[in-house]
Amino acid sequence: QLQLQESGPGLVKHSETLSLTCTVSGGSISIIHYYWGWIRQPPGKGLEWIGSIYYSGTTYYNPSLKSRVTISVDTSKNQFSLKLRSVTAADTAVYYCARHPPQLHWGQGTLVTVSS
Amino acid sequence: NFMLTQPHSVSESPGKTVTISCTGSSGSIASNFVQWYQQRPGSVPTTVIFEDNQRPSGVPDRFSGSIDSSSNSASLTISGLKTEDEADYYCQSYDSNNHVVFGGGTKLTVL
Repeated sequence: QLQLQESGPGLVKHSETLSLTCTVSGGSISIIHYYWGWIRQPPGKGLEWIGSIYYSGTTYYNPSLKSRVTISVDTSKNQFSLKLRSVTAADTAVYYCARHPPQLHWGQGTLVTVSS
Repeated sequence: NFMLTQPHSVSESPGKTVTISCTGSSGSIASNFVQWYQQRPGSVPTTVIFEDNQRPSGVPDRFSGSIDSSSNSASLTISGLKTEDEADYYCQSYDSNNHVVFGGGTKLTVL
């Protein structure tokens, strides 16, 4: 049974870099056809796609975040990672990792708070 | 930019039927599959419909999905409403660049 688990600091300082890792178990990240993505949800707000990566390293980013985001994959560890630079309070959110398409298979999510 | 628009909120009584719409901004919503997620407070979203009208195992057949190309919209219909159906519902699809797109979410109140 596929499981995804986010890990990383729950508190990041203003203007610094948010770094999260998603560990995939119960299946290989190198399976063709699937993408591995990051989605976030600010408190009380809707879902926002951040970006996705294919096992080969091909990436797709939300244009509104593209200038600050890097997603990478480590197939040897069955993990993929998110880096979001120059964070502000607006980046405070629950961050989910997920597999797709077509539907998203979600991790449990992790709350990241940006402090001033 | 391809966007999906949902009503902010809907409400209906237990036992009744409710339909939540999801309208595509451009192109054809039928070009890519539409999914629907249910999210209860403090919980991870779960899939109630995938590939326009398919139900995952364990989702009751009270939940159904459809596509209307004439209005460029997708719909989630929940019949025989139960109080446990009260949640936020999100539609999701893809744009022409393989980007994931979410609707803004609809808060369903069952009263």
